[in-house]
Amino acid sequence: DAKTTQPTSMDCAEGRAANLPCNHSTISGNEYVYWYRQIHSQGPQYIIHGLKNNETNEMASLIITEDRKSSTLILPHATLRDTAVYYCIVRVETGANNLFFGTGTRLTVIP
Amino acid sequence: DVKVTQSSRYLVKRTGEKVFLECVQDMDHENMFWYRQDPGLGLRLIYFSYDVKMKEKGDIPEGYSVSREKKERFSLILESASTNQTSMYLCASSLLFPNSYEQYFGPGTRLTVT
Repeated sequence: DAKTTQPTSMDCAEGRAANLPCNHSTISGNEYVYWYRQIHSQGPQYIIHGLKNNETNEMASLIITEDRKSSTLILPHATLRDTAVYYCIVRVETGANNLFFGTGTRLTVIP
Repeated sequence: DVKVTQSSRYLVKRTGEKVFLECVQDMDHENMFWYRQDPGLGLRLIYFSYDVKMKEKGDIPEGYSVSREKKERFSLILESASTNQTSMYLCASSLLFPNSYEQYFGPGTRLTVT
């Protein structure tokens, strides 16, 4: 599985867009990019995933560069409840999909 | 909503005790997973199961075993608890296909072994 690199921590002002970067320069053609987050004292929560194209859902947008070596998760209007650790994971889509969670980015949304 | 429940939020056990952690999911998912989470190490996969009575070792299976007798239930067993197994334990489930990447997690069990 491709290794991912994320900043250890980031701050974002409430109401502004939070842009969380992830580098995955060794990603292979059949590996997807997944994003999860973990709010304090809770289990991780799936946010979004993508292969090549940009993706958007009710929670966030995922922008993947054309060479697929990096991606950015965008929370368009961050709220205090978005304070969490965000994990970028690169993995082949298989049936029993065990995911490797690294240490992620701790996002703090500031009032 | 998918619900993954774990038997206890907090558990304190003594060294050498046999410990059972139970996980139940209500969405008929084929896959179930057990992770542990430690500061600075992120989540690490202990075991997973893709069907009843089937199990696969994850990254750190030593000192643990699992049981899946029913589709909805996945148990993690510490045969003889040790202090280095003090950790947060998280259970998750997902479909086999499609969307196997979308894992649903329980709230976690914080186990302390003294």
